Amino acid sequence: GAGVSQSPSNKVTEKGKDVELRCDPISGHTALYWYRQSLGQGLEFLIYFQGNSAPDKSGLPSDRFSAERTGGSVSTLTIQRTQQEDSAVYLCASSPEGNSNQPQHFGDGTRLSIL
Amino acid sequence: AQSVAQPEDQVNVAEGNPLTVKCTYSVSGNPYLFWYVQYPNRGLQFLLKYITGDNLVKGSYGFEAEFNKSQTSFHLKKPSALVSDSALYFCAVRDNSGYSTLTFGKGTMLLVSP
Repeated sequence: GAGVSQSPSNKVTEKGKDVELRCDPISGHTALYWYRQSLGQGLEFLIYFQGNSAPDKSGLPSDRFSAERTGGSVSTLTIQRTQQEDSAVYLCASSPEGNSNQPQHFGDGTRLSIL
Repeated sequence: AQSVAQPEDQVNVAEGNPLTVKCTYSVSGNPYLFWYVQYPNRGLQFLLKYITGDNLVKGSYGFEAEFNKSQTSFHLKKPSALVSDSALYFCAVRDNSGYSTLTFGKGTMLLVSP
């Protein structure tokens, strides 16, 4: 069966540009998470969507970061006015329900490089 | 606040030898604990979890982990390492009382030599 799909797999852009990263979760999964993985820093939680509830945005590092999830399925993470410190791998995960004992299923990530 | 510590950045072991990857945690309530593995240029794959019940949890690819409440640890183990086990391993915890998201450790690179 299809897993979590992320696009693009790689993105190179110039400092100051806006970027959009896409995540297509496993069908039927109500919970969707975004993480940032920087070298040697582990996984940093960014944002969490659960069904139609208001998202938990507590992990977003600045107001340049935003995310939306349309129709309870596909999600887009947007970074405005990118900075070099935004370079990282952005991982998306989904699970059947949020914050339960069920494991999260991860996509292969988008590797973002800011020149 | 909840936290996870993986004290070793890297673990080296020879193929066929037992391996241990260490993890300790801190939560205010009771923990849900997870281990994930990440291969190069891939996302994280779920290995095993502890929710309740038996302290020894068995998971994918012959891995197991032992929950120790008194030592607040959840070390990952395998009796006989394979070269193909070489990867980055993450421990994660969530407090099962109230609302909290999953907190990951910084990861431990496991290198298995032939």
